[in-house]
Amino acid sequence: AQTVTQSQPEMSVQEAETVTLSCTYDTSESDYYLFWYKQPPSRQMILVIRQEAYKQQNATENRFSVNFQKAAKSFSLKISDSQLGDAAMYFCAPDQTGNQFYFGTGTSLTVIP
Amino acid sequence: DAGITQSPRHKVTETGTPVTLRCHQTENHRYMYWYRQDPGHGLRLIHYSYGVKDTDKGEVSDGYSVSRSKTEDFLLTLESATSSQTSVYFCAISERGADYNEQFFGPGTRLTVL
Repeated sequence: AQTVTQSQPEMSVQEAETVTLSCTYDTSESDYYLFWYKQPPSRQMILVIRQEAYKQQNATENRFSVNFQKAAKSFSLKISDSQLGDAAMYFCAPDQTGNQFYFGTGTSLTVIP
Repeated sequence: DAGITQSPRHKVTETGTPVTLRCHQTENHRYMYWYRQDPGHGLRLIHYSYGVKDTDKGEVSDGYSVSRSKTEDFLLTLESATSSQTSVYFCAISERGADYNEQFFGPGTRLTVL
């Protein structure tokens, strides 16, 4: 199985501040996609942002951006201007093996008012 | 929102009984997946399908079987449920070969095996 590591089981951030969630993975592939998913208390899995490994430019989606370092196999998620609605579990998922996704164990984010 | 439904949404059953979970999509996506979610493990792939009657095992397939007789339906069966199969089960779909390989998830099924 592929290895996906989210080393921060829990994190907290003050409302309006910035927080970065880390993710590292193991792959021998050269072209693949990477995803961050959010799971709020409703349990629904929601795509936050995606990155294509062959693109050097880091993806940005409103307040969410990634820092993708291909050589280091690192894919961190930065949330700017944190809002109460950002509180959730966040899962990193590098799509590496064609047909299968491997998810990290998740980071639980708390937003403090 | 992608048209994915799961049934039942909640189920309580006893050890040794068979259980079938259903995933239904209206998106005509080729790929369908079954995951289980447990604390400390994230989501782990059980089985997936890449077309009608085409399925393959995932990371944690022991004790589970699947079937896909129509594009829109993907069934997950626990032949003889055990307490270790108590979990939240998610179905997902994707259309690989598109511009991106995003997976869309159903709402989940909470299964409790007593």
